[in-house]
Amino acid sequence: GAGVSQTPSNKVTEKGKYVELRCDPISGHTALYWYRQSLGQGPEFLIYFQGTGAADDSGLPNDRFFAVRPEGSVSTLKIQRTERGDSAVYLCASSFQVTLPSYEQYFGPGTRLTVT
Amino acid sequence: AQSVAQPEDQVNVAEGNPLTVKCTYSVSGNPYLFWYVQYPNRGLQFLLKYITGDNLVKGSYGFEAEFNKSQTSFHLKKPSALVSDSALYFCAVRDNPGANNLFFGTGTRLTVIP
Repeated sequence: GAGVSQTPSNKVTEKGKYVELRCDPISGHTALYWYRQSLGQGPEFLIYFQGTGAADDSGLPNDRFFAVRPEGSVSTLKIQRTERGDSAVYLCASSFQVTLPSYEQYFGPGTRLTVT
Repeated sequence: AQSVAQPEDQVNVAEGNPLTVKCTYSVSGNPYLFWYVQYPNRGLQFLLKYITGDNLVKGSYGFEAEFNKSQTSFHLKKPSALVSDSALYFCAVRDNPGANNLFFGTGTRLTVIP
């Protein structure tokens, strides 16, 4: 079956602009995660959803970042008033229900965001 | 709090030789441990995991990892390296019970020399 897909693959935007990054998880996966990977670093957790609700958003760096998953499938990560420090690869992952933490997460190819 | 350390930024090994990529962890509960591989311009691919049971875990592409509770380590190994194994490898831990997300190390770049 299809894996996790993310669009766009690359996004270049000017400082101060608003961007949306989309994630389409594996069909049947109820848990969805967003991570951010800066150059030379491992992925850092941003937020996760169980179904439609954001069950843990403790990794969001500030209130410019917001994510939604209105129908429990596709998710959109939204960044307002982008800053150059937001430049990174944004990774989405999905898994079976998060209440069984043994399930591995499957990652999409990421969206490379560049803020100029 | 949970953390993962990958002490080597770079590992070089000759093709056909055994390889080891090191990982140590720190968690407050029972650890769930994972290895992922990242090829250029591609997402992270799951290799293997340790949840419970046998300390030696076998995964994809001939990789295996050994869980050592006393040394809090989860080193990735392969008996005979291939040039195609050259990639960036990440160790990750999930505290159980605890946070639902994975906590990743900084990665180790493996280069297999023909």
